[in-house]
Amino acid sequence: GNSVTQMEGPVTLSEEAFLTINCTYTATGYPSLFWYVQYPGEGLQLLLKATKADDKGSNKGFEATYRKETTSFHLEKGSVQVSDSAVYFCALSDSFIRNQFYFGTGTSLTVIP
Amino acid sequence: DGGITQSPKYLFRKEGQNVTLSCEQNLNHDAMYWYRQDPGQGLRLIYYSQIVNDFQKGDIAEGYSVSREKKESFPLTVTSAQKNPTAFYLCASSLGTTQETQYFGPGTRLLVL
Repeated sequence: GNSVTQMEGPVTLSEEAFLTINCTYTATGYPSLFWYVQYPGEGLQLLLKATKADDKGSNKGFEATYRKETTSFHLEKGSVQVSDSAVYFCALSDSFIRNQFYFGTGTSLTVIP
Repeated sequence: DGGITQSPKYLFRKEGQNVTLSCEQNLNHDAMYWYRQDPGQGLRLIYYSQIVNDFQKGDIAEGYSVSREKKESFPLTVTSAQKNPTAFYLCASSLGTTQETQYFGPGTRLLVL
């Protein structure tokens, strides 16, 4: 079956530190992979996506590379800011099961000045 | 501006009462979804609809009902059969084909009095 496993949080970093949030997946087909971000009390916003192996998604300084050999899609940012404090969700969309998204449990990030 | 709106932001339910959460989108998307979010559990799919007048149960449909009479609207009713309704409810939409990005509304927080 399909599933997403995310690094457990919470994660606390100092401003300008390097961020990695690990995400691995299990899929029956050829999924697309996503990172979403959720700020307190709000809905999810798409952060970045990748649709095939070796694709790199990037947005607002965040990057993630679709690694089929390790079934991973780790989120990275070189220098975090206080405004990056949020919950981050990794997700996959299966190529065979129409419209089905599978979400990880989310990783809470707090950036301190 | 195109987007998804949910109302109300907060909703209170009394014992034995049915309540309806509104979700409207002006993105011209075919597919719409309802998710439930509990702390530390990520998102769980309640119902989804790929087209007007058609909808499918997700992983946790018991105690919920939906309708899809218009393309723009996908209301969710939390019935009295749902014994633990306190949660954050998120509506999403997508173009409807496989692996398309899902776009989320701001959410409704349901509390039981």
